[in-house]
Amino acid sequence: GQQLNQSPQSMFIQEGEDVSMNCTSSSIFNTWLWYKQDPGEGPVLLIALYKAGELTSNGRLTAQFGITRKDSFLNISASIPSDVGIYFCAGQLGYGNKLVFGAGTILRVKS
Amino acid sequence: DGGITQSPKYLFRKEGQNVTLSCEQNLNHDAMYWYRQDPGQGLRLIYYSQIVNDFQKGDIAEGYSVSREKKESFPLTVTSAQKNPTAFYLCASSPWGRDLNTEAFFGQGTRLTVV
Repeated sequence: GQQLNQSPQSMFIQEGEDVSMNCTSSSIFNTWLWYKQDPGEGPVLLIALYKAGELTSNGRLTAQFGITRKDSFLNISASIPSDVGIYFCAGQLGYGNKLVFGAGTILRVKS
Repeated sequence: DGGITQSPKYLFRKEGQNVTLSCEQNLNHDAMYWYRQDPGQGLRLIYYSQIVNDFQKGDIAEGYSVSREKKESFPLTVTSAQKNPTAFYLCASSPWGRDLNTEAFFGQGTRLTVV
């Protein structure tokens, strides 16, 4: 199936640090979504991006839809312990197409 | 409140048995999906359905079956043919259409363990 390359695979950071992760693809997407999954729970939608170049914030989270439409990044500012979890990117190739998910970035925060 | 509900949260199955996982949504979404997640891994698509009475195989459909008799419901049966069924199963739903963005919303998951 279609692949999204998500990096890094995992990160272990100090509380208060900023975090950045990204997803890339060889295909053009028309929608990028970012999810967070807490242990034992379903993923929760954090940010949705619909236009190339779009920059959207949700509290301490900021995500951008790459101008080439082949990538997206998520930044978390001033990380706190409850930011731990798995972050997934997902892309939609075109309207009416199912989502393609990245493999996830595992975030661990040292307090 | 609108949402998507999976049940049960935990399920134990003996080897050789079939078991059915429930997924119900009241979001009026046309599309529903089943994913499998193994420890420390990403999401793998098992089956999806864009409309009632129709469904498509995902990337790992072998050993699973689904039905979509109602818009609100998309049960997944893990059959005895699935060789390694122990995993976390996630159901999701989304709008579907030519001009629609596909924001998927997930249930809380069902953890299936073969004993």
